[in-house]
Amino acid sequence: IAGITQAPTSQILAAGRRMTLRCTQDMRHNAMYWYRQDLGLGLRLIHYSNTAGTTGKGEVPDGYSVSRANTDDFPLTLASAVPSQTSVYFCASSDSTAGGELFFGEGSRLTVL
Amino acid sequence: GQNIDQPTEMTATEGAIVQINCTYQTSGFNGLFWYQQHAGEAPTFLSYNVLDGLEEKGRFSSFLSRSKGYSYLLLKELQMKDSASYLCAVMDSNYQLIWGAGTKLIIKP
Repeated sequence: IAGITQAPTSQILAAGRRMTLRCTQDMRHNAMYWYRQDLGLGLRLIHYSNTAGTTGKGEVPDGYSVSRANTDDFPLTLASAVPSQTSVYFCASSDSTAGGELFFGEGSRLTVL
Repeated sequence: GQNIDQPTEMTATEGAIVQINCTYQTSGFNGLFWYQQHAGEAPTFLSYNVLDGLEEKGRFSSFLSRSKGYSYLLLKELQMKDSASYLCAVMDSNYQLIWGAGTKLIIKP
């Protein structure tokens, strides 16, 4: 059982480049989330999706976009990367949008130079 | 604004007991979560409290007082593998999770 798979696990990117972080889950969870984690700060929600075909903005959505064409996939795109987007990105899923446990991917460490 | 406070770092001895506190101020309350995160890894679920009181799960227990906006995670019989960060998160009235910055727990032999 894979759970949630993220790719790439690590990437160094030049500023201004476009980048897509991939996230796939095989648990048939309705809700999916993208967080960023920075030293000294709590996890911050970027975008979320409560079900396939719908997405919503989280706490820090600027500079990021997402899509949810099907239940399994939830890619995160940085249209034009900036150094402040250097972070560890976690994808997560839950079988409930009202209080369920989150299952996290292993994370994608992104460095923007 | 919404706020979750927990200590930045704690140190404890192998075999001992440690209590990690979390205080919160949020717009509404729909439950409090504790997650464990080892360095370089993903967070994993430990516990969920929505009613006041103590929830025990093996060596780990979690307590909640909604009137005080307070929770703690109690770890007993500490093992070296318990060295990790412990994240407190509260679900607000919109069912959004508000996360604390985490408490790094260092276990010494």
